[in-house]
Amino acid sequence: AQTVTQSQPEMSVQEAETVTLSCTYDTSESDYYLFWYKQPPSRQMILVIRQEAYKQQNATENRFSVNFQKAAKSFSLKISDSQLGDAAMYFCAYMRRQLTFGSGTQLTVLP
Amino acid sequence: NAGVTQTPKFQVLKTGQSMTLQCAQDMNHEYMSWYRQDPGMGLRLIHYSVGAGITDQGEVPNGYNVSRSTTEDFPLRLLSAAPSQTSVYFCASRQGQGKNYGYTFGSGTRLTVV
Repeated sequence: AQTVTQSQPEMSVQEAETVTLSCTYDTSESDYYLFWYKQPPSRQMILVIRQEAYKQQNATENRFSVNFQKAAKSFSLKISDSQLGDAAMYFCAYMRRQLTFGSGTQLTVLP
Repeated sequence: NAGVTQTPKFQVLKTGQSMTLQCAQDMNHEYMSWYRQDPGMGLRLIHYSVGAGITDQGEVPNGYNVSRSTTEDFPLRLLSAAPSQTSVYFCASRQGQGKNYGYTFGSGTRLTVV
């Protein structure tokens, strides 16, 4: 079974600074998708960024980018120019057919 | 588009009671899933469906039933609620393929079993 590990239960960042959230996963598959989801206090699950495993190029969405290391099975999320609205729980997820989630990282943004 | 709609948003049940959590999507998505979210454990898959009439178990299926009679609806039934089923429940759907590959989530149902 696939497992997803987020080793940082909590992190904090100063407003306007950059923060990186870590994620590792375990799979024997070569074709899959990886995601980062954001969950603010409203509890809505919001898709932040998506990465296809067959693509070597790292995905980027505005201030959000990933560092995808397929051989190392690592998928970290970098948030640049952090804003107060970025404060939330962030989940890393793996998908072959179904989503498998990590346990989440609670991000605090300090003014 | 309404996306994925879950009802109710909050529910309190007594131990032993039954109820159905409703989930509907209007995007003609083939895949639908139910997850539960517990503190410190992320979201765990309960049941999923790859199309009308087809369902299968996920990681934590015990105590829950599902059916998929239409593409749009995927209800989750608790036959005899237990305190261990206190959780936040999410329904999600996705299309089978395409460049927007990924799940769309409902807003969740917070269930408390007393």
